[in-house]
Amino acid sequence: KQEVTQIPAALSVPEGENLVLNCSFTDSAIYNLQWFRQDPGKGLTSLLLIQSSQREQTSGRLNASLDKSSGRSTLYIAASQPGDSATYLCAVLTNTDKLIFGTGTRLQVFP
Amino acid sequence: GAGVSQSPSNKVTEKGKDVELRCDPISGHTALYWYRQSLGQGLEFLIYFQGNSAPDKSGLPSDRFSAERTGGSVSTLTIQRTQQEDSAVYLCASSLSSGIGYGYTFGSGTRLTVV
Repeated sequence: KQEVTQIPAALSVPEGENLVLNCSFTDSAIYNLQWFRQDPGKGLTSLLLIQSSQREQTSGRLNASLDKSSGRSTLYIAASQPGDSATYLCAVLTNTDKLIFGTGTRLQVFP
Repeated sequence: GAGVSQSPSNKVTEKGKDVELRCDPISGHTALYWYRQSLGQGLEFLIYFQGNSAPDKSGLPSDRFSAERTGGSVSTLTIQRTQQEDSAVYLCASSLSSGIGYGYTFGSGTRLTVV
């Protein structure tokens, strides 16, 4: 059974810091891995999608890497801003077409 | 449509009543997924559709829950005889297709409160 774990569960940092959020999964048989952001009371916004054959994806200040063999992904946020405050979720798409989510990292960036 | 649309955005219902939640996926997306997020919990898979058929219903919590999809488009999730533990945010997502590694686009969810 696929299990997805995110570390840390919560993070509070001053503005401007570079951050690394971690995601690990137990079964490497995945189609892809996706990072989402969720603001309080809102739905999920897709940030980055990494296919199983890819090593990383970048979008603006965000960079996500994937090491499928070791079951790990990291989301790197450069020069964090208060607007980055949200819960960040990683999810893997299994070969049974099911998206399995981690429990998230709650990020607060203070001015 | 431009995004995944869910209605209603909020629903308060009395215990024992039936509710219907609606999801309108992105036009052309053949795969549609329902998830549930309870307060302080992660996202729980409920069911997914490829076209009008549901290959995986394993996440439905009980036989009070059912879902259907017609015309390969709109889906409804029905909860019969609602219980307080059904209170949660119900999220719908769509994807171009299942099984080929496309990304998901989520709607804003329906917040269900059973009183």
